[in-house]
Order: sequence, then structure tokens, then C-alpha cells
Amino acid sequence: NAGVTQTPKFQVLKTGQSMTLQCAQDMNHEYMSWYRQDPGMGLRLIHYSVGAGITDQGEVPNGYNVSRSTTEDFPLRLLSAAPSQTSVYFCASSRGTADFSYNEQFFGPGTRLTVL
Amino acid sequence: DQQVKQNSPSLSVQEGRISILNCDYTNSMFDYFLWYKKYPAEGPTFLISISSIKDKNEDGRFTVFLNKSAKHLSLHIVPSQPGDSAVYFCAASEVFSGGYNKLIFGAGTRLAVHP
Repeated sequence: NAGVTQTPKFQVLKTGQSMTLQCAQDMNHEYMSWYRQDPGMGLRLIHYSVGAGITDQGEVPNGYNVSRSTTEDFPLRLLSAAPSQTSVYFCASSRGTADFSYNEQFFGPGTRLTVL
Repeated sequence: DQQVKQNSPSLSVQEGRISILNCDYTNSMFDYFLWYKKYPAEGPTFLISISSIKDKNEDGRFTVFLNKSAKHLSLHIVPSQPGDSAVYFCAASEVFSGGYNKLIFGAGTRLAVHP
């Protein structure tokens, strides 16, 4: 059971380039999320998904696209990278709930992205 | 405007003593409050949570206290150990339709436990 995996661990892009950050989970979790962590700001939600084919925006969605074609995978796409997108990106997954109780979010190890 | 605030960027504590990490929030609609722990080059890991209808939750050396009237929560670690040295994030959860828990994180407090 690998939990939540992310690739790559590190990436350097030039302004205007595009790329996809990969995220996969093997816990059969319904919910998946993408966060970015910046110094002094904690983690902020970019996009999330409550199931295959269903995605929605978080706090900071601009410049990012997501899709969820399978339960396991939730890739994050940067269409035209900008220096402001230099950050550490974390993917997370959690079980669905029908009773509005809290279900722990499990985080991947992160991808450190630098945009020059 | 930050809905979850951790005003102390760092805290240094001697091994064996109590560590107290503080967190303030502004939104009274939050359903759950959580603490996550993060080591360098790793993702955050869940530590402890508390429902908004409770005022205390304990798990081994870790206790979280919630003061709803003051919109304040704190994490107590007793006794502190060198392995507790990490960044601690306070987070608040709002449950959306469909049951998704949206987490709002504070900026984190770096705890250093020294011998």
C-alpha cells in the first residue's frame, strides 16, 4: 500500500512552459485535492474532486487545470507556467463521508516546482 | 483575510517540558479543527482533531483544547521529545455538500525540541 504518490519530486520550468504534476492513490479514496504551500502562508487549496468526473475550484485555482478520469489519479496541469507558481505542491486524498464527519486527508510527499 | 492564524512562527522547548502551540480562527462555521505535523521534504501527516462541539481531545502525549467563545485552539505536547521537532499546522474544516472537508490552514509553527 503506497498511499499517495506524486511525481516528479522536483521540476524546473521556464516561463510559459506547460507541465502536468501527477498524483495517484491506492486507498480507493473518493476525495482528492491539490494544495500549494508558500512561505508564511500555509497550504492553500487549488482544486479538489469528490469522485471520478467531478472537480471543483478551491481558493487559488487560476492558472491550473485538473481532471479526474479514474478514482486513483488526479493530475494537475499548469498551462503556461509563471514565476508566481513557484511553490511546493501537495496532493491529498480522503474517504468520502455521508454523515458530514471529518475524514483524515492523507498527503503525498510533494513536488517542488521552480519557474524561472 | 486569513481565517486561521498561527501567530508564532517558531517555538523552542527543552526536552521533557510542555510545548504549547496556539491557533486563532475567525469563522464560527468551522466543523472540525485539526493539527498536522510536517517534517522537511515530506507531506503533512495528521496528528489530532477536535469537533467544534467538544472542548478537549486527548491522544497520548497530545491534547487539543478548543475555546469557541475566544475562537482559539491550542495543542499541548507533554512531555516534548526531540522527535517532535517539526512544523505544526493548525487547520479548520468546513464540510461542503457531498461531504468534502475543505481545509483552511494556518501558516505553521516550527517547533524545536532541544535536549
